[in-house]
Amino acid sequence: AAGVIQSPRHLIKEKRETATLKCYPIPRHDTVYWYQQGPGQDPQFLISFYEKMQSDKGSIPDRFSAQQFSDYHSELNMSSLELGDSALYFCASSGGGGRADTQYFGPGTRLTVL
Amino acid sequence: GQQVMQIPQYQHVQEGEDFTTYCNSSTTLSNIQWYKQRPGGHPVFLIQLVKSGEVKKQKRLTFQFGEAKKNSSLHITATQTTDVGTYFCAGGGSQGNLIFGKGTKLSVKP
Repeated sequence: AAGVIQSPRHLIKEKRETATLKCYPIPRHDTVYWYQQGPGQDPQFLISFYEKMQSDKGSIPDRFSAQQFSDYHSELNMSSLELGDSALYFCASSGGGGRADTQYFGPGTRLTVL
Repeated sequence: GQQVMQIPQYQHVQEGEDFTTYCNSSTTLSNIQWYKQRPGGHPVFLIQLVKSGEVKKQKRLTFQFGEAKKNSSLHITATQTTDVGTYFCAGGGSQGNLIFGKGTKLSVKP
């Protein structure tokens, strides 16, 4: 079965640079969630989209923005990167219509900021 | 804001022993989900509980959702080395997002 695809899997950036992470949800899933997971931490919810509209916002810094496109893929744009942004970034998708339905996680993008 | 507390943070068991992790929410949850994350991996969905007092079993795993829909537990009978990982509970928030507990990291000594 098709799973959530994230790219790139690994990304190394310098401080103050920008990064774009991509997420391709499971086909026919209408909701995408972004999470940030630091070492030894639980996933922290950043932002979600349902039917291409932002549905909920968590602890996403103002330096980050995201959107969901017409083909339902989503991109997380991160600017003015800081050392503390180094983490695993997971995208999850669900077909729950924006409700708290089962979320299927992608493999994650490991971002390292030097 | 909504919070989900999970204990213990770490659990070390001998293979064959039982293991239980507990989650408690400050507010009523629409549902509770459980995920397992292996070292270096991503959270993998295990189960979702929706009804008050619901109990579900998956082989050696037993999941419970409290009557007030504010707490939940995961119990593993006779642990195996393949059970190693971090178990997260995640509560359905009022906005449709998931609120994760801090996770319980399980290690199993053969």
